[in-house]
Amino acid sequence: SQQGEEDPQALSIQEGENATMNCSYKTSINNLQWYRQNSGRGLVHLILIRSNEREKHSGRLRVTLDTSKKSSSLLITASRAADTASYFCATGFSGGYNKLIFGAGTRLAVHP
Amino acid sequence: DTAVSQTPKYLVTQMGNDKSIKCEQNLGHDTMYWYKQDSKKFLKIMFSYNNKELIINETVPNRFSPKSPDKAHLNLHINSLELGDSAVYFCASSQTGTGTTPLHFGNGTRLTVT
Repeated sequence: SQQGEEDPQALSIQEGENATMNCSYKTSINNLQWYRQNSGRGLVHLILIRSNEREKHSGRLRVTLDTSKKSSSLLITASRAADTASYFCATGFSGGYNKLIFGAGTRLAVHP
Repeated sequence: DTAVSQTPKYLVTQMGNDKSIKCEQNLGHDTMYWYKQDSKKFLKIMFSYNNKELIINETVPNRFSPKSPDKAHLNLHINSLELGDSAVYFCASSQTGTGTTPLHFGNGTRLTVT
């Protein structure tokens, strides 16, 4: 079954507004990663947060992780039209060879 | 230079045919993957190779056969194509196969089976 589930499925905002996307997962993780996918392209890694971290920043991106609630959020501040894309969370596990499990993504549309 | 490149970008073929997708990475990574993305954008891992050795083999029909001639290349051959195989197939690579390092994706191969 799917591990990560993003919420909302779709988000439509105006340029300059902030966008918040959430990800919930079911089992203990080693890390959680966020990816962006532009239409017709592959996924691009944005940020990785480890299970012992609570918050991480990268430019206009802020990711939080709450392991007690098994949830993470991605905040994009001062959004731009170029941020229009699908955003996916993926959960990673420790111990041996493991696969990243992706959620179904949030489709973000930023209108000029 | 493209880090993970896969060919072809588009593949349109008829049911019953056999086709291959090729992937190459120039990042020096040890691990490569094939993912399938369906029409609802759900991304599911199919196979993973670490230094030419198969390490992850999900429940995939045996019509799908991956091959890794060296750690920089991972190809996917599909026999007897079916309508349900229509999807976008992504190749990816990572430094390790432990699920603790980021994945680098190719731009995908859109397969349409008619």
